[in-house]
Amino acid sequence: NAGVTQTPKFRILKIGQSMTLQCAQDMNHNYMYWYRQDPGMGLKLIYYSVGAGITDKGEVPNGYNVSRSTTEDFPLRLELAAPSQTSVYFCASSSLGHGGYTFGSGTRLTVV
Amino acid sequence: AQSVAQPEDQVNVAEGNPLTVKCTYSVSGNPYLFWYVQYPNRGLQFLLKYITGDNLVKGSYGFEAEFNKSQTSFHLKKPSALVSDSALYFCAVRDGVTGGGNKLTFGTGTQLKVEL
Repeated sequence: NAGVTQTPKFRILKIGQSMTLQCAQDMNHNYMYWYRQDPGMGLKLIYYSVGAGITDKGEVPNGYNVSRSTTEDFPLRLELAAPSQTSVYFCASSSLGHGGYTFGSGTRLTVV
Repeated sequence: AQSVAQPEDQVNVAEGNPLTVKCTYSVSGNPYLFWYVQYPNRGLQFLLKYITGDNLVKGSYGFEAEFNKSQTSFHLKKPSALVSDSALYFCAVRDGVTGGGNKLTFGTGTQLKVEL
């Protein structure tokens, strides 16, 4: 009964480094999302996917990339990390019928 | 474009008193509305949703929300607050049009503090 699993939970990056945030779901949901959460700003959509092989930009995609090679996995890639990418990142999934999201526990990223 | 407003950054209430967390929305067509709760250092948890039907929606942990189409509001309520209800609450909306990736737009969140 894992739901949505995100790794790592915490990470510190130096400016200019790259990393991949992992997200996996075991509910056979078609739709997956990446959001970032900043204090007082709510959640902003970075990228989303409606199925394997299909991805699209959200509200704040710059500096990020995604891929969706399987239904289960939706990794988020940060290239050339910048301090502005310091945030908490949440992955979520949904089935079309339910409408609501199931969220992972988040990755807290600090870029120094 | 769809949007959500949560006008209060923080709501304070005494344990045992009723609580209301406000949310207004803007969307094309019929809205799908959601409330989520976030405890410290945790992901968001689903509380309840309105898709269609009865304007009063009941959810988890004794919470309910009232959909008001004329006021474009979806306020979260609970008759008797508990200290354990203290958390960050998010309202979210999407339009009811099929397709579009089921993308939710979230409000900025309201911190609920329930005191003894």
